[in-house]
Amino acid sequence: GENVEQHPSTLSVQEGDSAVIKCTYSDSASNYFPWYKQELGKGPQLIIDIRSNVGEKKDQRIAVTLNKTAKHFSLHITETQPEDSAVYFCAARQYNNNDMRFGAGTRLTVKP
Amino acid sequence: DSGVTQTPKHLITATGQRVTLRCSPRSGDLSVYWYQQSLDQGLQFLIQYYNGEERAKGNILERFSAQQFPDLHSELNLSSLELGDSALYFCASSVNPAGTGDHGYTFGSGTRLTVV
Repeated sequence: GENVEQHPSTLSVQEGDSAVIKCTYSDSASNYFPWYKQELGKGPQLIIDIRSNVGEKKDQRIAVTLNKTAKHFSLHITETQPEDSAVYFCAARQYNNNDMRFGAGTRLTVKP
Repeated sequence: DSGVTQTPKHLITATGQRVTLRCSPRSGDLSVYWYQQSLDQGLQFLIQYYNGEERAKGNILERFSAQQFPDLHSELNLSSLELGDSALYFCASSVNPAGTGDHGYTFGSGTRLTVV
């Protein structure tokens, strides 16, 4: 089955700096890679996803890159703000498969 | 509000007891997924139902069971509870069986279970 590893487990940045979270996956058949943000006391919320037919996707200050050859994908947050502080989870799955595996999460702290 | 409703929000119970967690999916979603999140741990997939039928099983203990009812709400039953079962239990829903499409998975706010 799929195994997703996520690094780092904690990340602290100054407001305005960029933050990068990296994930690797093991199953070469995986082709759907979502990212979720979990704020304190809330459930994870989908913030961006990427499918294997593209290498990069951007949505305002958030971007995700995918390297299928190396089986890794990354979340990039630019111009970080205190409200970006949360736990971020990556996940991987075959597009039409139910078995979505999550990374262990990254606790991002943005210092004002 | 994500549209996925989980009750109760908090639950404290003793070892050996049985509890039921409830989830109402987002309107129009047919799939329900249950995840367990232990302290400082990631999300562990437990089980999925689609339109009333079990669709996929993850690392769900035999002491745990779930079902999805005709109105599409789902219940997760946890029995013979142990201290290690203390965790956040999340329900997610999606419109189709594989969680693809524009919405992917929509998570509820979770039920925090504490076993003492």
